[in-house]
Amino acid sequence: DIQMTQSPSSVSASVGDRVTITCRASQGISRWLAWYQHKPGKAPELLIYAASSLQSGVPSRFSGSGSGTDFALTISSLQPEDFATYFCQQGNSFPYTFGQGTKLEIK
Amino acid sequence: QITLKESGPTLVKPTETLTLTCTFSGFSLSSSDVGVGWIRQPPGKALEWLALIYWDDDKRYSPSLKSRLTITKDTSKNQVVLTMTNMDPLDTGTYYCAHSEYSSSSFDSWGQGTLVTVSS
Repeated sequence: DIQMTQSPSSVSASVGDRVTITCRASQGISRWLAWYQHKPGKAPELLIYAASSLQSGVPSRFSGSGSGTDFALTISSLQPEDFATYFCQQGNSFPYTFGQGTKLEIK
Repeated sequence: QITLKESGPTLVKPTETLTLTCTFSGFSLSSSDVGVGWIRQPPGKALEWLALIYWDDDKRYSPSLKSRLTITKDTSKNQVVLTMTNMDPLDTGTYYCAHSEYSSSSFDSWGQGTLVTVSS
């Protein structure tokens, strides 16, 4: 199985800050990487697919980058509604695997 | 608009079989490239992919759970059913179904999830 390692596991930031979360795959996954936002009691929401493609309806302050084994999700200017947990997921090969999550908290 | 909703028991006993149903709208599971997957999240832990079924009845399972899982589809009812045998307290968690496309390898619409507790 491909292991997905996210960092940091948690981060505190303020509204308006720029935040970057990283995800590393244990082997190359080309650009088969997705990012999700998850709020308690709600369905996860796809933000980015194919490493850098913005899902329809997702604000442009979210962006993704990377290929191979190293990926990043950047939020350019944090908004109050962005405080949530973020997961990466590889879709290069089965079994699909997720990172352990990054909890983004208000400073 | 794609919607999905999970249904099934909220409490099962150890060794019992869990049957979850995903009822969806806004797409057809007979359309090329379409799939429906199941993902779970134990309390306080990460998401775990379980299984996925495609429009052509191609089925994929988590290797660690493959012996316990069965995924099926009923295209006429717009439903996907997941069964998991020999339930254990470690299987407690929220179970989600989600829409996928073979070409994207991601899950673009999710159900709200259903909490399943395994306890005697």
